[in-house]
Amino acid sequence: KQEVTQIPAALSVPEGENLVLNCSFTDSAIYNLQWFRQDPGKGLTSLLLIQSSQREQTSGRLNASLDKSSGRSTLYIAASQPGDSATYLCAVSPLTGGGNKLTFGTGTQLKVEL
Amino acid sequence: DAGVIQSPRHEVTEMGQEVTLRCKPISGHDYLFWYRQTMMRGLELLIYFNNNVPIDDSGMPEDRFSAKMPNASFSTLKIQPSEPRDSAVYFCASSESSYGYTFGSGTRLTVV
Repeated sequence: KQEVTQIPAALSVPEGENLVLNCSFTDSAIYNLQWFRQDPGKGLTSLLLIQSSQREQTSGRLNASLDKSSGRSTLYIAASQPGDSATYLCAVSPLTGGGNKLTFGTGTQLKVEL
Repeated sequence: DAGVIQSPRHEVTEMGQEVTLRCKPISGHDYLFWYRQTMMRGLELLIYFNNNVPIDDSGMPEDRFSAKMPNASFSTLKIQPSEPRDSAVYFCASSESSYGYTFGSGTRLTVV
């Protein structure tokens, strides 16, 4: 059974700092990995999707990397802003037998302070 | 498109009552998912549909839970009878084949 772990569970940084969020998964037979953002009381917003054949994806100040063989992904946020404060979740979909279903990590709660 | 639309946003019900949650996916998306989020267990997949057909319901916790998708634009998740431990936020999401998900805003269910 796939298990997804995110470290740290919570993180507080001053504005402007670059930061890295970590995600690890136990079964490397994945189809893709996605990073989501969840604001309090809201749904999830997809940030980046990395196919299993890719090594990284970038969108603005966000960069996600994937090392499938070691079961790890990182989300790099450059020049953090208070508006980045949210919970960040990673999720993987299986290579076979699972269609498009995702297994989620428990998230990293980020607070960017002024 | 207005995105994935869920209703109601909040539901408070008494133990033993029937609860029905509703979802309208994005037009053209062929996958629909129901997830449950709790502090203890995080986000859990309950069931998903492909082209209106249930594909995997192994995450449905008990027979008290049922889900239907009568057409491409509507799905329901029903709990009967409801119990306090069903209290959670229930999310519906849709996707187009293997592309990224779009989540609804969720229904916060409280069973007292």
